Amino acid sequence: DAGVIQSPRHEVTEMGQEVTLRCKPISGHNSLFWYRQTMMRGLELLIYFNNNVPIDDSGMPEDRFSAKMPNASFSTLKIQPSEPRDSAVYFCATLLGTQTDTQYFGPGTRLTVL
Amino acid sequence: GENVEQHPSTLSVQEGDSAVIKCTYSDSASNYFPWYKQELGKRPQLIIDIRSNVGEKKDQRIAVTLNKTAKHFSLHITETQPEDSAVYFCASRPSGNKLIFGAGTRLAVHP
Repeated sequence: DAGVIQSPRHEVTEMGQEVTLRCKPISGHNSLFWYRQTMMRGLELLIYFNNNVPIDDSGMPEDRFSAKMPNASFSTLKIQPSEPRDSAVYFCATLLGTQTDTQYFGPGTRLTVL
Repeated sequence: GENVEQHPSTLSVQEGDSAVIKCTYSDSASNYFPWYKQELGKRPQLIIDIRSNVGEKKDQRIAVTLNKTAKHFSLHITETQPEDSAVYFCASRPSGNKLIFGAGTRLAVHP
């Protein structure tokens, strides 16, 4: 099993540009989570999906952030326009589903906004 | 909202000593408490977890205890080794599949 796949692994962009982060969950996992990790704020849940449906987006910082899960194999997190304070490591994690608890994290995308 | 407090923020021990990290949660409905280890530049990885119907769980050198009344849970690492050096995060699950993470503890094990 390839595990959770994220791309790109590193992204450097300029303020004002659009950034799209991608995640491919482990096959068969039906819950998907987007986290942001910074030194100041730690590991924060941004949004999560069950069966491709957004369940809780209370952690999405503002309207510049949006997330989609068009199918069970793919999710995106978009930031438009990006700002320097968005610089962080963004992790995608997935969960198999009922009767299981473990969230498996992807390798993360390190985003730097100049 | 749900909050998880984690202490200490840094912990330094000698190889072979024990290490204890403590967390407190606020939502009494929380029913699942995982611990993740994150090495520098890597992803968080689950090392042990406990459900609310269990008071203690052990896996080799690692153990977790839960006190539901006090809303405390702790990670215990015995016979620490240099490869245990990492940042450790506790978390609680107040509802659904949502995890709330503590701020992390940076553990350094010195040879």
